[in-house]
Amino acid sequence: GESVGLHLPTLSVQEGDNSIINCAYSNSASDYFIWYKQESGKGPQFIIDIRSNMDKRQGQRVTVLLNKTVKHLSLQIAATQPGDSAVYFCAENMGKIKAAGNKLTFGGGTRVLVKP
Amino acid sequence: GAVVSQHPSRVICKSGTSVKIECRSLDFQATTMFWYRQFPKKSLMLMATSNEGSKATYEQGVEKDKFLINHASLTLSTLTVTSAHPEDSSFYICSAGASGYTFGSGTRLTVV
Repeated sequence: GESVGLHLPTLSVQEGDNSIINCAYSNSASDYFIWYKQESGKGPQFIIDIRSNMDKRQGQRVTVLLNKTVKHLSLQIAATQPGDSAVYFCAENMGKIKAAGNKLTFGGGTRVLVKP
Repeated sequence: GAVVSQHPSRVICKSGTSVKIECRSLDFQATTMFWYRQFPKKSLMLMATSNEGSKATYEQGVEKDKFLINHASLTLSTLTVTSAHPEDSSFYICSAGASGYTFGSGTRLTVV
């Protein structure tokens, strides 16, 4: 049966507002980070990535901020839309930048609920 | 862009039987693929790294004899859950190590 444990933290946001999702990563040697969006019953979908030699990167309506000093990563979603409702995971790569052979370690995830 | 196809999307099997899940990279070659397991309302946990032409690398605590991985070609990795138990019911997801780490759509396994 289903394991009993902590539920995912949830961020409720009004449609049109900005969302900020936070993530603390574990390894100071990690040099590549990715944010994923996962909808119910589906696999994770790549949103945006950032290398450790950067502290900010922008995409379409999304911005990732990296603070290596405190090992903190955040994802900002501008003008949140109902389609943004999903679970968001950060992931870190503890190897060579984008090397295909290195594995990802995922954070715990945050559920975003967009209220109309 | 990189596409990873996973099949089946859902499978129900009886306790004691085995079930095979396929992961294919459709438009690129992947010498390495990854298999994850996800429980409800939980994050993804890496089970093993699938290496083309060689043995898979399993994470600590994952039974290699129970979760058989075969990566016989540059575009296909399979995960076989052997002698399935209800506790093996879960969402299994694969990814291929192309740029961006593309994930498959997942397989919902229910063991009855």
